[in-house]
Amino acid sequence: DADVTQTPRNRITKTGKRIMLECSQTKGHDRMYWYRQDPGLGLRLIYYSFDVKDINKGEISDGYSVSRQAQAKFSLSLESAIPNQTALYFCATTERGDTQYFGPGTRLTVL
Amino acid sequence: EDQVTQSPEALRLQEGESSSLNCSYTVSGLRGLFWYRQDPGKGPEFLFTLYSAGEEKEKERLKATLTKKESFLHITAPKPEDSATYLCAVQSGAGSYQLTFGKGTKLSVIP
Repeated sequence: DADVTQTPRNRITKTGKRIMLECSQTKGHDRMYWYRQDPGLGLRLIYYSFDVKDINKGEISDGYSVSRQAQAKFSLSLESAIPNQTALYFCATTERGDTQYFGPGTRLTVL
Repeated sequence: EDQVTQSPEALRLQEGESSSLNCSYTVSGLRGLFWYRQDPGKGPEFLFTLYSAGEEKEKERLKATLTKKESFLHITAPKPEDSATYLCAVQSGAGSYQLTFGKGTKLSVIP
């Protein structure tokens, strides 16, 4: 079984809809991250969490929110999706802030 | 602000033709430099972490090296299965342990 899982793997939605992307990990890591990847722009950090009570904004947090439901679960929400949020979204985890391990990604399309 | 520049953007090699990918960086106190491999539509897969200038790490046909300003990923006698996008990221020693990624080098190895 994969150590970091993301659901859904693919999602097509319409402008204005609320969307939640979920991430679960079995690695026992304390730190979790959400990134988006766009062609030509590389990976950019949206939010990160050091533990259940510690959530921080990243480089591009506007239009997104997160919830850390448990050590193993970290969800990303788009309250009102817009077309320029079409991207690949990745969750990552790390222990002690060292090497980050990535999930398989969610491809989100906002029409 | 941490910055990472990868070159070239794309590289085509014949099978067996060795070459190097470059990652130039500026960071306020390097905590670690990371190399990842990413296949299309998948999450980045961890390859190496380098911590200090002069350090080298090897894995199969790949060898990563680090200086104070750049890192190289050397690929010796590549095979078609080495085709992927290779991502470089730096982590500064200050605070949040965030990774700053380069845009990647897309490697194609032709049989």
